Amino acid sequence: GEDVEQSLFLSVREGDSSVINCTYTDSSSTYLYWYKQEPGAGLQLLTYIFSNMDMKQDQRLTVLLNKKDKHLSLRIADTQTGDSAIYFCAEQWDEGTYKYIFGTGTRLKVLA
Amino acid sequence: NAGVTQTPKFQVLKTGQSMTLQCAQDMNHEYMSWYRQDPGMGLRLIHYSVGAGITDQGEVPNGYNVSRSTTEDFPLRLLSAAPSQTSVYFCASSRTGSKLGVYGYTFGSGTRLTVV
Repeated sequence: GEDVEQSLFLSVREGDSSVINCTYTDSSSTYLYWYKQEPGAGLQLLTYIFSNMDMKQDQRLTVLLNKKDKHLSLRIADTQTGDSAIYFCAEQWDEGTYKYIFGTGTRLKVLA
Repeated sequence: NAGVTQTPKFQVLKTGQSMTLQCAQDMNHEYMSWYRQDPGMGLRLIHYSVGAGITDQGEVPNGYNVSRSTTEDFPLRLLSAAPSQTSVYFCASSRTGSKLGVYGYTFGSGTRLTVV
């Protein structure tokens, strides 16, 4: 099957920028996503990027896509303690069946 | 509030018992799916459905059954629970059709299942 890889942990200080990285496998994926999971909750869609884009900015979030290297990143500017969560990247595996493949998740810890 | 509702939130089963995890959505989403979340393994797709009466297997379907008799409901049945099925289960739904990607999935809050 396909694998979407992420590092498991990231720790940053409040006010710094966080960069969460993801490597995906299917260059034909149409959409790539970032989801956020807070403790005890389900996943919440943060942002997405269409495969023909290189960058997308949404307030404090910047998504960068390098299709050649199959690399996706999420930058969070001015990281706050409320940003502490698990962040999942996902690729749309099969457009016809709407299935996604999720990464293993990166646990972001923001230190005050 | 509109969204995906999962019940129960917590469940403890004995090995060999059966049970049904409930999932309901009120957004008229055609696509529904079940994932399990295990530490270090991300989310793995169990079963999915693209509409009432249509279901298909995902990555890890063994030991689970689903049915989709209505657009709103997509229950997941554990036939004979095993300790390997201890996990957190998430139901997710989505629109279908063109540009569905911009909407992503809507997730329920999860069911934490322990099989002893």
